[in-house]
Amino acid sequence: GENVEQHPSTLSVQEGDSAVIKCTYSDSASNYFPWYKQELGKRPQLIIDIRSNVGEKKDQRIAVTLNKTAKHFSLHITETQPEDSAVYFCAASSNTDKLIFGTGTRLQVFP
Amino acid sequence: GAGVSQSPRYKVAKRGQDVALRCDPISGHVSLFWYQQALGQGPEFLTYFQNEAQLDKSGLPSDRFFAERPEGSVSTLKIQRTQQEDSAVYLCASSQTGTGTYGYTFGSGTRLTVV
Repeated sequence: GENVEQHPSTLSVQEGDSAVIKCTYSDSASNYFPWYKQELGKRPQLIIDIRSNVGEKKDQRIAVTLNKTAKHFSLHITETQPEDSAVYFCAASSNTDKLIFGTGTRLQVFP
Repeated sequence: GAGVSQSPRYKVAKRGQDVALRCDPISGHVSLFWYQQALGQGPEFLTYFQNEAQLDKSGLPSDRFFAERPEGSVSTLKIQRTQQEDSAVYLCASSQTGTGTYGYTFGSGTRLTVV
C-alpha cells in the first residue's frame, strides 16, 4: 500500500524567512496531494492541495510543487509569521479516496 | 451544520469498557472517514463510507472496532473492550464526493483515554 514519508520532523525559522517541508510517496497511482495544518489541540485544516496533472500551485504565501517522476512533493511557505507555527501534514491519495498521511512537521516561527 | 461535529469531545474509559463515538458530517457530504491520531503522529486511516456503504475498513486495528452509518449521514465508531493502546484522538472527516476530488473537512475529534 501507499507509504508517505515526511521531513524534517521539526523546523525552526526566523520570522520572515522561508520554510520548506518535503514528502515522498510510494504509490505511483497516487494523484491527489493535500497539505494540512494542525494547531495544538485543534483539527487538521486543509491549506492547499495539488493534483497530478499540475506541477506547481500557489496561494499567497503558500506554494506546493509536485515531481511525479521522483514521487515527491513539497510545501513552501514564504515570509513566515508566528501564526504559521503549527504541525503540518502532507498526504497522498489515489482514486481510492483514502488519504495516507505523513508523520508531520512541527514548524516554529520565532519573532 | 456548518462543519463536522464530533461527540463527545473527551472520553475517559476504564479498560474493558465499550465506547461509542459519534460523527455528524457536513450536510450533503457523501463520503465519511474515520482516522486515529496517536500523540505526535499523523492521522491513520480506519474506515470509509460512501453514503451508508462501508467501502473500506482495512484500517480497523481489530475486530473490537466497528463503524456504521446506517442512514448515510451520522456515523458511529464503536470500540469494544477498550485497551490502553486504543488511547488516541479519533478524527472524523467528510468530503463532498466519493472521488477524493475535494479535500476532507475534519471534525475536532474525540480524545479517548483508556485507564
